[in-house]
Amino acid sequence: AQSVTQLGSHVSVSEGALVLLRCNYSSSVPPYLFWYVQYPNQGLQLLLKYTTGATLVKGINGFEAEFKKSETSFHLTKPSAHMSDAAEYFCAVIKSGGYQKVTFGTGTKLQVIP
Amino acid sequence: NAGVTQTPKFRVLKTGQSMTLLCAQDMNHEYMYWYRQDPGMGLRLIHYSVGEGTTAKGEVPDGYNVSRLKKQNFLLGLESAAPSQTSVYFCASRKLAGGTDTQYFGPGTRLTVL
Repeated sequence: AQSVTQLGSHVSVSEGALVLLRCNYSSSVPPYLFWYVQYPNQGLQLLLKYTTGATLVKGINGFEAEFKKSETSFHLTKPSAHMSDAAEYFCAVIKSGGYQKVTFGTGTKLQVIP
Repeated sequence: NAGVTQTPKFRVLKTGQSMTLLCAQDMNHEYMYWYRQDPGMGLRLIHYSVGEGTTAKGEVPDGYNVSRLKKQNFLLGLESAAPSQTSVYFCASRKLAGGTDTQYFGPGTRLTVL
Protein backbone atom coordinates (compact mmCIF):
# COMPACT_ATOMS: atom_id res chain seq x y z
CA ALA A 1 0.00 0.00 0.00
CA GLN A 2 1.16 3.49 -0.69
CA SER A 3 1.14 6.32 1.82
CA VAL A 4 2.24 9.90 2.17
CA THR A 5 3.59 11.66 5.25
CA GLN A 6 3.81 15.42 5.50
CA LEU A 7 5.93 16.59 8.40
CA GLY A 8 4.46 19.61 10.11
CA SER A 9 0.80 20.51 9.86
CA HIS A 10 1.70 24.19 10.20
CA VAL A 11 4.80 25.99 8.95
CA SER A 12 5.56 29.69 9.44
CA VAL A 13 8.17 31.60 7.48
CA SER A 14 9.03 35.26 7.14
CA GLU A 15 8.39 37.00 3.86
CA GLY A 16 11.50 36.56 1.72
CA ALA A 17 12.70 33.48 3.60
CA LEU A 18 13.13 29.98 2.23
CA VAL A 19 10.06 27.78 2.12
CA LEU A 20 10.59 24.07 2.79
CA LEU A 21 7.62 21.73 3.05
CA ARG A 22 8.43 18.09 3.64
CA CYS A 23 6.88 15.04 2.07
CA ASN A 24 7.89 11.42 2.39
CA TYR A 25 6.17 8.56 0.65
CA SER A 26 6.08 4.83 0.74
CA SER A 27 5.27 2.84 -2.34
CA SER A 28 6.07 -0.63 -3.53
CA VAL A 29 6.68 0.58 -7.07
CA PRO A 30 8.05 3.84 -8.49
CA PRO A 31 5.33 6.40 -7.92
CA TYR A 32 4.06 9.53 -9.51
CA LEU A 33 4.30 12.41 -7.03
CA PHE A 34 2.37 15.65 -6.87
CA TRP A 35 2.14 18.83 -4.89
CA TYR A 36 -1.17 20.67 -4.79
CA VAL A 37 -1.99 24.04 -3.27
CA GLN A 38 -5.32 25.04 -1.77
CA TYR A 39 -6.18 28.66 -1.14
CA PRO A 40 -8.95 29.44 1.35
CA ASN A 41 -12.38 28.33 0.21
CA GLN A 42 -11.07 26.98 -3.06
CA GLY A 43 -10.36 23.62 -4.62
CA LEU A 44 -6.92 22.10 -5.06
CA GLN A 45 -4.64 23.35 -7.79
CA LEU A 46 -1.68 21.44 -9.17
CA LEU A 47 1.68 23.04 -8.33
CA LEU A 48 3.98 20.48 -9.87
CA LYS A 49 4.39 16.78 -10.48
CA TYR A 50 7.04 14.16 -10.95
CA THR A 51 6.36 11.24 -13.25
CA THR A 52 9.61 10.21 -14.92
CA GLY A 53 12.84 11.83 -16.08
CA ALA A 54 14.52 14.75 -14.34
CA THR A 55 14.23 14.46 -10.58
CA LEU A 56 14.16 18.23 -10.00
CA VAL A 57 10.76 19.47 -11.00
CA LYS A 58 9.81 23.11 -11.40
CA GLY A 59 6.26 24.23 -10.91
CA ILE A 60 4.18 27.35 -10.88
CA ASN A 61 4.74 30.40 -8.68
CA GLY A 62 8.47 29.70 -8.28
CA PHE A 63 8.07 26.38 -6.45
CA GLU A 64 10.17 23.33 -7.13
CA ALA A 65 10.55 19.85 -5.70
CA GLU A 66 13.17 17.14 -5.92
CA PHE A 67 12.40 13.45 -6.09
CA LYS A 68 14.94 11.55 -4.01
CA LYS A 69 14.39 7.85 -4.35
CA SER A 70 17.02 6.91 -1.76
CA GLU A 71 15.28 9.08 0.83
CA THR A 72 11.72 8.38 -0.45
CA SER A 73 11.17 12.12 -0.32
CA PHE A 74 9.61 14.82 -2.47
CA HIS A 75 10.12 18.04 -0.54
CA LEU A 76 8.70 21.31 -1.86
CA THR A 77 10.85 24.44 -1.81
CA LYS A 78 10.73 28.07 -2.81
CA PRO A 79 13.75 30.35 -2.34
CA SER A 80 11.82 33.42 -1.23
CA ALA A 81 8.36 33.35 0.33
CA HIS A 82 5.72 35.82 -0.75
CA MET A 83 2.62 36.79 1.16
CA SER A 84 0.51 35.26 -1.58
CA ASP A 85 2.05 31.83 -0.85
CA ALA A 86 0.01 31.53 2.33
CA ALA A 87 -2.16 28.48 1.70
CA GLU A 88 -2.43 24.80 2.48
CA TYR A 89 -0.19 22.42 0.56
CA PHE A 90 -0.85 18.76 -0.11
CA CYS A 91 1.56 16.11 -1.25
CA ALA A 92 0.04 13.20 -3.16
CA VAL A 93 1.20 9.93 -4.64
CA ILE A 94 -0.19 7.68 -7.31
CA LYS A 95 1.23 4.33 -8.21
CA SER A 96 2.71 4.45 -11.69
CA GLY A 97 1.33 2.25 -14.41
CA GLY A 98 -2.11 3.74 -14.61
CA TYR A 99 -3.33 2.82 -11.16
CA GLN A 100 -6.28 5.03 -10.49
CA LYS A 101 -6.13 5.83 -6.79
CA VAL A 102 -4.40 8.92 -5.47
CA THR A 103 -3.27 9.05 -1.86
CA PHE A 104 -3.02 12.49 -0.27
CA GLY A 105 -1.02 13.64 2.71
CA THR A 106 -2.75 15.43 5.55
CA GLY A 107 -1.61 18.83 4.39
CA THR A 108 0.68 21.61 5.62
CA LYS A 109 -0.62 25.11 6.23
CA LEU A 110 1.94 27.71 5.30
CA GLN A 111 1.84 31.04 7.09
CA VAL A 112 3.93 33.90 5.72
CA ILE A 113 4.82 36.56 8.24
CA PRO A 114 5.40 40.09 6.94
CA ASN B 1 -13.82 25.14 -20.84
CA ALA B 2 -15.45 25.34 -17.44
CA GLY B 3 -13.29 22.48 -16.13
CA VAL B 4 -14.84 20.74 -13.13
CA THR B 5 -17.96 22.28 -11.62
CA GLN B 6 -19.88 21.29 -8.50
CA THR B 7 -23.45 21.97 -7.48
CA PRO B 8 -24.40 23.21 -4.92
CA LYS B 9 -21.62 25.24 -3.30
CA PHE B 10 -23.19 25.18 0.16
CA ARG B 11 -25.90 23.10 1.81
CA VAL B 12 -27.31 22.62 5.27
CA LEU B 13 -29.20 19.42 6.01
CA LYS B 14 -30.98 18.01 9.01
CA THR B 15 -30.07 14.54 10.24
CA GLY B 16 -31.86 11.93 8.17
CA GLN B 17 -32.42 14.09 5.11
CA SER B 18 -31.12 13.08 1.72
CA MET B 19 -29.39 15.01 -0.99
CA THR B 20 -27.38 14.63 -4.18
CA LEU B 21 -24.21 16.48 -5.08
CA LEU B 22 -23.53 16.96 -8.77
CA CYS B 23 -20.12 17.04 -10.38
CA ALA B 24 -19.70 17.88 -14.05
CA GLN B 25 -16.59 18.03 -16.21
CA ASP B 26 -16.24 19.15 -19.81
CA MET B 27 -12.75 17.79 -20.47
CA ASN B 28 -13.85 14.34 -21.64
CA HIS B 29 -11.99 12.72 -18.74
CA GLU B 30 -12.46 9.04 -18.05
CA TYR B 31 -11.77 9.01 -14.32
CA MET B 32 -13.82 10.89 -11.77
CA TYR B 33 -13.53 11.00 -7.99
CA TRP B 34 -15.35 12.16 -4.90
CA TYR B 35 -13.32 13.17 -1.85
CA ARG B 36 -14.15 14.59 1.51
CA GLN B 37 -11.86 16.99 3.29
CA ASP B 38 -11.81 17.26 7.06
CA PRO B 39 -9.41 19.29 9.22
CA GLY B 40 -6.14 17.47 9.85
CA MET B 41 -7.11 14.51 7.69
CA GLY B 42 -6.33 15.69 4.18
CA LEU B 43 -8.51 14.37 1.40
CA ARG B 44 -10.08 10.95 1.70
CA LEU B 45 -11.47 9.13 -1.27
CA ILE B 46 -15.16 8.25 -1.01
CA HIS B 47 -15.92 6.67 -4.40
CA TYR B 48 -14.45 6.84 -7.84
CA SER B 49 -15.30 5.92 -11.41
CA VAL B 50 -13.06 4.73 -14.21
CA GLY B 51 -15.64 5.28 -16.90
CA GLU B 52 -19.28 5.74 -17.76
CA GLY B 53 -21.46 3.20 -16.00
CA THR B 54 -18.76 2.03 -13.56
CA THR B 55 -18.11 3.00 -9.96
CA ALA B 56 -15.94 1.70 -7.14
CA LYS B 57 -15.49 2.24 -3.42
CA GLY B 58 -12.71 4.32 -2.00
CA GLU B 59 -11.45 4.62 1.58
CA VAL B 60 -14.61 5.94 3.23
CA PRO B 61 -17.65 4.83 1.20
CA ASP B 62 -20.13 4.11 4.00
CA GLY B 63 -23.23 6.29 3.93
CA TYR B 64 -22.67 7.42 0.34
CA ASN B 65 -23.75 6.19 -3.07
CA VAL B 66 -22.65 7.31 -6.51
CA SER B 67 -23.69 7.06 -10.11
CA ARG B 68 -21.97 7.75 -13.43
CA LEU B 69 -24.72 7.50 -16.00
CA LYS B 70 -23.04 9.98 -18.31
CA LYS B 71 -19.33 10.36 -18.84
CA GLN B 72 -19.34 14.01 -17.92
CA ASN B 73 -21.34 13.69 -14.68
CA PHE B 74 -20.60 12.00 -11.37
CA LEU B 75 -23.28 12.17 -8.67
CA LEU B 76 -22.74 11.66 -4.96
CA GLY B 77 -25.77 10.78 -2.89
CA LEU B 78 -26.41 10.83 0.82
CA GLU B 79 -29.52 8.76 1.58
CA SER B 80 -29.77 9.60 5.28
CA ALA B 81 -27.42 12.36 6.32
CA ALA B 82 -25.56 12.18 9.63
CA PRO B 83 -23.61 14.89 11.50
CA SER B 84 -20.42 12.89 10.81
CA GLN B 85 -20.91 13.72 7.14
CA THR B 86 -20.41 17.41 7.77
CA SER B 87 -17.43 18.14 5.55
CA VAL B 88 -16.21 19.81 2.42
CA TYR B 89 -16.69 17.60 -0.62
CA PHE B 90 -14.46 17.82 -3.66
CA CYS B 91 -14.94 16.26 -7.02
CA ALA B 92 -12.01 15.63 -9.34
CA SER B 93 -11.43 14.23 -12.79
CA ARG B 94 -8.42 12.74 -14.50
CA LYS B 95 -7.61 12.10 -18.09
CA LEU B 96 -6.79 8.52 -18.93
CA ALA B 97 -3.35 9.09 -20.43
CA GLY B 98 -0.07 7.41 -19.68
CA GLY B 99 2.34 9.44 -17.61
CA THR B 100 0.27 12.53 -16.88
CA ASP B 101 -2.24 11.48 -14.23
CA THR B 102 -3.04 15.04 -13.24
CA GLN B 103 -6.27 15.47 -11.34
CA TYR B 104 -8.41 18.53 -11.83
CA PHE B 105 -10.51 19.61 -8.88
CA GLY B 106 -13.81 21.36 -8.56
CA PRO B 107 -14.31 24.27 -6.14
CA GLY B 108 -15.95 22.15 -3.45
CA THR B 109 -19.30 21.81 -1.71
CA ARG B 110 -19.51 22.74 1.94
CA LEU B 111 -22.08 20.51 3.65
CA THR B 112 -23.32 20.92 7.19
CA VAL B 113 -25.53 18.28 8.78
CA LEU B 114 -27.34 19.41 11.91
